[in-house]
Amino acid sequence: EAAVTQSPRNKVAVTGGKVTLSCNQTNNHNNMYWYRQDTGHGLRLIHYSYGAGSTEKGDIPDGYKASRPSQENFSLILELATPSQTSVYFCASGGTGGSQNTLYFGAGTRLSVL
Amino acid sequence: GDSVTQTEGLVTLTEGLPVMLNCTYQSTYSPFLFWYVQHLNEAPKLLLKSFTDNKRPEHQGFHATLHKSSSSFHLQKSSAQLSDSALYYCALGNYAQGLTFGLGTRVSVFP
Repeated sequence: EAAVTQSPRNKVAVTGGKVTLSCNQTNNHNNMYWYRQDTGHGLRLIHYSYGAGSTEKGDIPDGYKASRPSQENFSLILELATPSQTSVYFCASGGTGGSQNTLYFGAGTRLSVL
Repeated sequence: GDSVTQTEGLVTLTEGLPVMLNCTYQSTYSPFLFWYVQHLNEAPKLLLKSFTDNKRPEHQGFHATLHKSSSSFHLQKSSAQLSDSALYYCALGNYAQGLTFGLGTRVSVFP
């Protein structure tokens, strides 16, 4: 089965601090994604990547940066964390089958910004 | 742009009764539709997805039929189990950006 690992699983940060969420996949998938999950909003796409070195803005990119240094790793960076970024963040990977792609999700990172 | 609508935020039912979750979509292109299930404190996982040849996908007793004429992909199960209590997302395949998700429907099954 596809494997996507996120770290840390839980994080408490202070307002204005820098937060980095990491994601590693062993599926050899080209595409990777960062979503956040909030009650009443479902899963919303923050950033995605088509492969090493590429990052693209999703639907809600403001306040977030992304980095894809290799096929396996995709990070989400909050340079100046704010309380509104308190959420559960999910990383996912998927192949290059276009709109037929199944996405495989990591277990999530619960972030609290105080 | 692409969008997915799930009309029920919460569905509560008794074990053994049928369940249907509504999903409608808007898509510029010929769509692929998915249902994901997320149990408490777990990752979303694929439950089923539409086929290209109009076959009806089934998994764990759940099934869904893609109706392009009504832009719908409702999820159904004839007899709910306690273990079906979870959050269910309908999603639309987007060639460029992965999946566009609905807001989700929480299902609570009681004995």
